[in-house]
Amino acid sequence: EAQVTQNPRYLITVTGKKLTVTCSQNMNHEYMSWYRQDPGLGLRQIYYSMNVEVTDKGDVPEGYKVSRKEKRNFPLILESPSPNQTSLYFCASSLVGGRGGELFFGEGSRLTVL
Amino acid sequence: GENVEQHPSTLSVQEGDSAVIKCTYSDSASNYFPWYKQELGKGPQLIIDIRSNVGEKKDQRIAVTLNKTAKHFSLHITETQPEDSAVYFCAASRRGGSYKLIFGSGTRLLVRP
Repeated sequence: EAQVTQNPRYLITVTGKKLTVTCSQNMNHEYMSWYRQDPGLGLRQIYYSMNVEVTDKGDVPEGYKVSRKEKRNFPLILESPSPNQTSLYFCASSLVGGRGGELFFGEGSRLTVL
Repeated sequence: GENVEQHPSTLSVQEGDSAVIKCTYSDSASNYFPWYKQELGKGPQLIIDIRSNVGEKKDQRIAVTLNKTAKHFSLHITETQPEDSAVYFCAASRRGGSYKLIFGSGTRLLVRP
């Protein structure tokens, strides 16, 4: 089954404790992206990757890191989480990002930073 | 900067009635306009999209219209059903380059049985 898988789905952590949210897709997509969803703000892009070893900042990259060592994986790293990073996070992938193709989203990871 | 405004933020309709959600965009170079539906506890899913060379597109009970001059586009759902209850996001993008998809703030649609 074609899908984007995120883990963990739910996480409660404390300020400053490094964490990683994993994302994996099995559709051989070139383009992958991370979004955060906050009430009244819609989906805002954190980072994206056009292909392996190619990543770039989205609209709200502060406090986040990513890497794209393999085509299928695109982990989101919070080196020192803060309470303002409490949010619902979505990973998404697309066959060819630059041509306006369909984005396939994971089911989301709800993060709470105390 | 690029911006997409979406209205209304919440919409309640009676089953069988129509629902309309409207979005405006700021970047005149935008040429791809998808709509995503997010059911409770799930990720958004594409339901329909339109490109700038088309004024209207239909898929069964769902239609999208685009007015490039006014820089706005709308989602129309006819004969609404309870399973249409969800959060809907519009988005706008410029093809090529980094594929920057800008999302609206979302509309929570409730269809009352």
